[in-house]
Amino acid sequence: RKEVEQDPGPFNVPEGATVAFNCTYSNSASQSFFWYRQDCRKEPKLLMSVYSSGNEDGRFTAQLNRASQYISLLIRDSKLSDSATYLCVVNLMNYGGSQGNLIFGKGTKLSVKP
Amino acid sequence: DTGVSQDPRHKITKRGQNVTFRCDPISEHNRLYWYRQTLGQGPEFLTYFQNEAQLEKSRLLSDRFSAERPKGSFSTLEIQRTEQGDSAMYLCASSQTSYEQYFGPGTRLTVT
Repeated sequence: RKEVEQDPGPFNVPEGATVAFNCTYSNSASQSFFWYRQDCRKEPKLLMSVYSSGNEDGRFTAQLNRASQYISLLIRDSKLSDSATYLCVVNLMNYGGSQGNLIFGKGTKLSVKP
Repeated sequence: DTGVSQDPRHKITKRGQNVTFRCDPISEHNRLYWYRQTLGQGPEFLTYFQNEAQLEKSRLLSDRFSAERPKGSFSTLEIQRTEQGDSAMYLCASSQTSYEQYFGPGTRLTVT
């Protein structure tokens, strides 16, 4: 079983649509969670962190369910510029050693059409 | 530009040759990471430095791979005796905390 699993898509949606991405992670010891965005042939960029209480940043809402080991991202009022691959990411905090290497899912491709 | 920089951006090499990539992190970031990304996959962790100390290495990092960060600033990643399976995007990231990592533009390696 992959450590972080995502539906690869692609999700093809019209402008203005609401789209939701889901992600599951296998390691219950995971401590921190993120969504990164990656444009074609570009580096990943942090979109938002995901907190247990849920958090919102403009049109983007992230949710975390630790019991189900499930993370979601909701994009409202999709824009053409939202077209990208969205990477679900977890961070295993290794208290006995180093900290901070990120574990990425394969990504979900979103294409927003006019 | 004060972001993470990587050099070269593209490298084409013949199988069996050695290649070396450089990463310059954001100033004052004490943590530096190397990842590898192949088509259709998310980035995979390779190794991690805190200052000049290499603290963690993935099992993906075979003995043909070596990374250094001699003065705790820039880092190099060397691949010896390249194989076609080494073709990938090599990404460097830096951070000042455990969480927010900022990625460089990557070095795209093609082994022919």
